Amino acid sequence: AQSVTQPDIHITVSEGASLELRCNYSYGATPYLFWYVQSPGQGLQLLLKYFSGDTLVQGIKGFEAEFKRSQSSFNLRKPSVHWSDAAEYFCAVDAGTGNQFYFGTGTSLTVIP
Amino acid sequence: NAGVTQTPKFRILKIGQSMTLQCTQDMNHNYMYWYRQDPGMGLKLIYYSVGAGITDKGEVPNGYNVSRSTTEDFPLRLELAAPSQTSVYFCASTSRWVPYEQYFGPGTRLTVT
Repeated sequence: AQSVTQPDIHITVSEGASLELRCNYSYGATPYLFWYVQSPGQGLQLLLKYFSGDTLVQGIKGFEAEFKRSQSSFNLRKPSVHWSDAAEYFCAVDAGTGNQFYFGTGTSLTVIP
Repeated sequence: NAGVTQTPKFRILKIGQSMTLQCTQDMNHNYMYWYRQDPGMGLKLIYYSVGAGITDKGEVPNGYNVSRSTTEDFPLRLELAAPSQTSVYFCASTSRWVPYEQYFGPGTRLTVT
């Protein structure tokens, strides 16, 4: 069965520092990969997605993610974190059918001044 | 476009009561989903629908029912509320076109006491 692992439950970074959130997936083929962000009390907003082509994808708010097939990973990065980036981040996998969508357990990001 | 809308935003139920969570999307999406989000558990799929008249169970369907009479609406029914159903519920939708990025509603916070 497909699964998504986000090994870091909570991360704290200083404003202006770089950020990397980890995501590993378990799936036989190359799935469609997504990162979502959830601000407190809000729904989920899509940051970026990968389904083919260039393994480095750019998203909104200055985020990027790199797909590494050999490591079954899709880590999210940002070179300089802003206080407004404090939120919950979810990695998600779709097996390509539209009805098999799996979320990781999320990583909570705290940004300190 | 309003996107995905959910009502109510908050609700408190007593054990054994019933209620329907409403979800509507105005993007003419074929696929619709219901998730529940529990702290530290990510999102779990309850039910999904690939079109009007077609529904199927997700990972955690017990205690819930759905219907899909129109493309726009996908209500979630709780028949006999239990404390284990205390959660935040999200509705989402997507088109049939790859990649199946999902658009989320703002959520319904339900407490069963």
